[in-house]
Amino acid sequence: GAVVSQHPSRVICKSGTSVKIECRSLDFQATTMFWYRQFPKQSLMLMATSNEGSKATYEQGVEKDKFLINHASLTLSTLTVTSAHPEDSSFYICSAQGVEETQYFGPGTRLLVL
Amino acid sequence: GNSVTQMEGPVTLSEEAFLTINCTYTATGYPSLFWYVQYPGEGLQLLLKATKADDKGSNKGFEATYRKETTSFHLEKGSVQVSDSAVYFCALRAGNAGNMLTFGGGTRLMVKP
Repeated sequence: GAVVSQHPSRVICKSGTSVKIECRSLDFQATTMFWYRQFPKQSLMLMATSNEGSKATYEQGVEKDKFLINHASLTLSTLTVTSAHPEDSSFYICSAQGVEETQYFGPGTRLLVL
Repeated sequence: GNSVTQMEGPVTLSEEAFLTINCTYTATGYPSLFWYVQYPGEGLQLLLKATKADDKGSNKGFEATYRKETTSFHLEKGSVQVSDSAVYFCALRAGNAGNMLTFGGGTRLMVKP
């Protein structure tokens, strides 16, 4: 099946710093990538949808200036958490979708902001 | 709007027991339906899907049938294993929401030896 990777898998940073998370589709071209946030023992919350070469579409309540999304190629999207604070600590998951229209998920990135 | 409702967990079963995790949905039109599984500390993996009424998705011994008359997509497995312990998410993708997935709340399954 289609493989999606995320890097890093785990990151600890100090409050006020920025963190970049990469999401790559390894064996297919992803026209659309999605970024989710998951709190402990809860379901996934869609943060934004990005299409290659265009600006991301953010869900209501998600700060676009805080969560910067770039989808520069058909195999790579990045999420940058700017000026991270402890409340941004969470599990961030990306998914990628190609022509088949099935979303394939990455393994997730656990962010801890101290 | 679109929504997915799953039975609340955790569901605790003994090995080789029969599993059912209920999932019902509300959507306009004809959504595609999915089951995803999340193992501890990992992202979601697509388990199975069905794209039209009466379709049956199956994978790794799991099955789910798209029932439009009852708006349901219940997940079943005849004999669970300890390795099936995970969180299971039911999801739909409706035509009126583009490519967005709408997830249920997830059901944690614990299988004891």
